[in-house]
Amino acid sequence: QVQLVESGGGVVQPGRSLRLSCAASGFTFSVYNMHWVRQAPGKGLEWVAVILYHGRNKNYADSVQGRFTISRDNSKDTLYLEMNSLRPEDTAVYFCARESPPNSNTWSSLLAWGQGALVTVSS
Amino acid sequence: EIVLTQSPGTLSLSPGERATLSCRASQSVKSNYLAWYQQKPGQAPRLLMYGASNRVSGIPDRFSGSGSGTDFTLTISRLEPDDFAVYYCQQYSSSPLTFGPGTKVDIK
Repeated sequence: QVQLVESGGGVVQPGRSLRLSCAASGFTFSVYNMHWVRQAPGKGLEWVAVILYHGRNKNYADSVQGRFTISRDNSKDTLYLEMNSLRPEDTAVYFCARESPPNSNTWSSLLAWGQGALVTVSS
Repeated sequence: EIVLTQSPGTLSLSPGERATLSCRASQSVKSNYLAWYQQKPGQAPRLLMYGASNRVSGIPDRFSGSGSGTDFTLTISRLEPDDFAVYYCQQYSSSPLTFGPGTKVDIK
């Protein structure tokens, strides 16, 4: 079955960096667009970034543009989120999510989700 | 950026009642690229509807979606105990992709 497992979360000081990983299994990772979505404690969902299946196109939320980088390694079935210059307001559970149709050059809804990784930015 | 507004913020209903959730966009959502998600505490969101009115496989037919342009609705025809949760709309027609703030459906 489709499985997405995030890792790499933890407590980090403001201004430092952290890299999240999302290991995919149960489907052909290389043909699906992938997203990161976050949720601050007690708050709603916030879309963070998307990378198309081939890795050549990426888009970001304004709140993370220039600080976060989404990437993927299709040979390892893994999605990444490199987070730099972290701020307290980046504290959240970070979900990786997969779109529904394969081989799409436009965005779609998010059919499969991981359970999330908690990132806490605090001194 | 397309801003999504959901109303009401909280909907207090009893099992068996009908729930009507609204999602309004600040500008037209092209091709009705609007999705609905359900989220329960401590869980990841679950996709219910895509393309405004297409139900995901395995989602009960008491869930239905409608609307176009800037106004969209999720209807739950008869609430079951498992349906009490937070519901989010999301547009995926333009970047940045955005979510609404959510509607909490709780037990009256």
